[in-house]
Amino acid sequence: NAGVMQNPRHLVRRRGQEARLRCSPMKGHSHVYWYRQLPEEGLKFMVYLQKENIIDESGMPKERFSAEFPKEGPSILRIQQVVRGDSAAYFCASSRSTVNTEAFFGQGTRLTVV
Amino acid sequence: AQTVTQSQPEMSVQEAETVTLSCTYDTSESDYYLFWYKQPPSRQMILVIRQEAYKQQNATENRFSVNFQKAAKSFSLKISDSQLGDAAMYFCAYTRGNQFYFGTGTSLTVIP
Repeated sequence: NAGVMQNPRHLVRRRGQEARLRCSPMKGHSHVYWYRQLPEEGLKFMVYLQKENIIDESGMPKERFSAEFPKEGPSILRIQQVVRGDSAAYFCASSRSTVNTEAFFGQGTRLTVV
Repeated sequence: AQTVTQSQPEMSVQEAETVTLSCTYDTSESDYYLFWYKQPPSRQMILVIRQEAYKQQNATENRFSVNFQKAAKSFSLKISDSQLGDAAMYFCAYTRGNQFYFGTGTSLTVIP
């Protein structure tokens, strides 16, 4: 039973390009969470999704960022027109039900904007 | 708003000794969960231990134990018989809903 899979592990984008980060939850998990970790900081919540629904996006920047979790396939975090400040590690977590029970994290995608 | 504070950016411990990492949090809720996560250089977030606020008994997982003081809103992690593999960033986290609130982390160095 594979854990939470994120790809790519490393992503380099030039300013103004689009970044797409993928997250495949653990088998049987229908809840997905995205977090961002800036250098020297803890993880900050971005968005919580269930299949085909965004449940809580209170941590998402209002512009350029979007997330989806389609019926089939991985969850996608999309960042349009990236800027240097978007450089960070982006983590995905999944759980069988609410995060209170236990959430399993992926290894993260390190986005570098040059 | 929920906040989690880790006041020790860096800690070090001699191998085989014991170290305690501090964490305090702020909440007005009575029912919630607290966690300690370990993040080695690989960046993987690994769950170390979990505490449910309604349980008075402190959680224990092998060499890892917590001192949960609900009234003081304190949740410290004790690592006994420290091993080289314990070297990592340690994050304290709080949740009672759909999201975790993380502290800024404590970098633990284990000295051989």
